[in-house]
Amino acid sequence: GQNIDQPTEMTATEGAIVQINCTYQTSGFNGLFWYQQHAGEAPTFLSYNVLDGLEEKGRFSSFLSRSKGYSYLLLKELQMKDSASYLCAVRAWSGGSYIPTFGRGTSLIVHP
Amino acid sequence: KAGVTQTPRYLIKTRGQQVTLSCSPISGHRSVSWYQQTPGQGLQFLFEYFSETQRNKGNFPGRFSGRQFSNSRSEMNVSTLELGDSALYLCASSPGLAGGKNIQYFGAGTRLSVL
Repeated sequence: GQNIDQPTEMTATEGAIVQINCTYQTSGFNGLFWYQQHAGEAPTFLSYNVLDGLEEKGRFSSFLSRSKGYSYLLLKELQMKDSASYLCAVRAWSGGSYIPTFGRGTSLIVHP
Repeated sequence: KAGVTQTPRYLIKTRGQQVTLSCSPISGHRSVSWYQQTPGQGLQFLFEYFSETQRNKGNFPGRFSGRQFSNSRSEMNVSTLELGDSALYLCASSPGLAGGKNIQYFGAGTRLSVL
């Protein structure tokens, strides 16, 4: 099976930078995803990493180290609307196809 | 391009009843996956359908079943409902290709309450 760990909750100040970590243990790794989910809404895709390194997309960046089983999502210039749950998902081969397994999510609270 | 559409958005059922949820994927997407989301367990994989065939299945009892039609629309059925089935049921569609990002896009979900 797979084991994905991420902090349950984080708080940060508007305008600051926050890093949300995700560690995982898996075999047959085929990519790591980050999703954002606002309360009562669908998860929305933020980023995808399959090779080691940093992927930057506007205020959001995601980093992957496959050898360490580690990823982080970096959010810069935080805004109030960034208050949401951030889900880390690891895709791996399982029972006939590649399936993402999700962590339990990190609830980010941004305060003024 | 229209997103993933799930109906209904809310459902209230009683124990022992059955329920059918519907999902229309993004046009051109052939893979539809279903997830159960609860506060305690997070997002848990139920099953994946690709080209009308169940391609993968999670660790849920046989009361949970699904199917996919030739137009890629999918339905999920839960029989003999239990209180613990109360959850948000999310559908996600993707191209379903073996290579590439194959990003999953989620619908808004169906919130099921079992009384």
